[in-house]
Amino acid sequence: EAGVAQSPRYKIIEKRQSVAFWCNPISGHATLYWYQQILGQGPKLLIQFQNNGVVDDSQLPKDRFSAERLKGVDSTLKIQPAKLEDSAVYLCASSSGGGASSPLHFGNGTRLTVT
Amino acid sequence: GQNIDQPTEMTATEGAIVQINCTYQTSGFNGLFWYQQHAGEAPTFLSYNVLDGLEEKGRFSSFLSRSKGYSYLLLKELQMKDSASYLCAVRGTGFQKLVFGTGTRLLVSP
Repeated sequence: EAGVAQSPRYKIIEKRQSVAFWCNPISGHATLYWYQQILGQGPKLLIQFQNNGVVDDSQLPKDRFSAERLKGVDSTLKIQPAKLEDSAVYLCASSSGGGASSPLHFGNGTRLTVT
Repeated sequence: GQNIDQPTEMTATEGAIVQINCTYQTSGFNGLFWYQQHAGEAPTFLSYNVLDGLEEKGRFSSFLSRSKGYSYLLLKELQMKDSASYLCAVRGTGFQKLVFGTGTRLLVSP
């Protein structure tokens, strides 16, 4: 089966600019996650979708970050305006939602550098 | 909330055995995952434990004690390719949020 697809792979922007990331999950996976991973740290959950509804966005900085999952498939994550501390890898993951044992499958991530 | 602790870094020799510990505190528990992450790559799934005890999968084994809030990942017959970060992650109840620890960077030397 095809894996989780993300684009772009790398992005460099200046602070206060905006940026968007795209994710296409594994076909049929109902649950989609966006994680932020700062160098040397573990992934931090930003937002979790179940189909096209948000089930957890408690750690999403809503003043600058937004995400949507139209039609319950693809998802985009946007940052506007970006800050230096947003430099990180943004990982998209999906799971089948078939139960607690269903593992997350990760994409290769988008490495964002804010200068 | 959830709190997950792992050692930051470990070193070991090729062919040896290493144990990576993870302790957690959580208000709801629905299983514990271990992931491997090579530098610059995505995390990949290694194991899942929800019941107490040891799960063995080839050279890798994972142990869970729910009463102690403790897990470990055991890597046997270490190979150079095992140099990576190992992430412990706890799944909560409800919508089954998965929270990761900071990861343990393992360096395997010849």
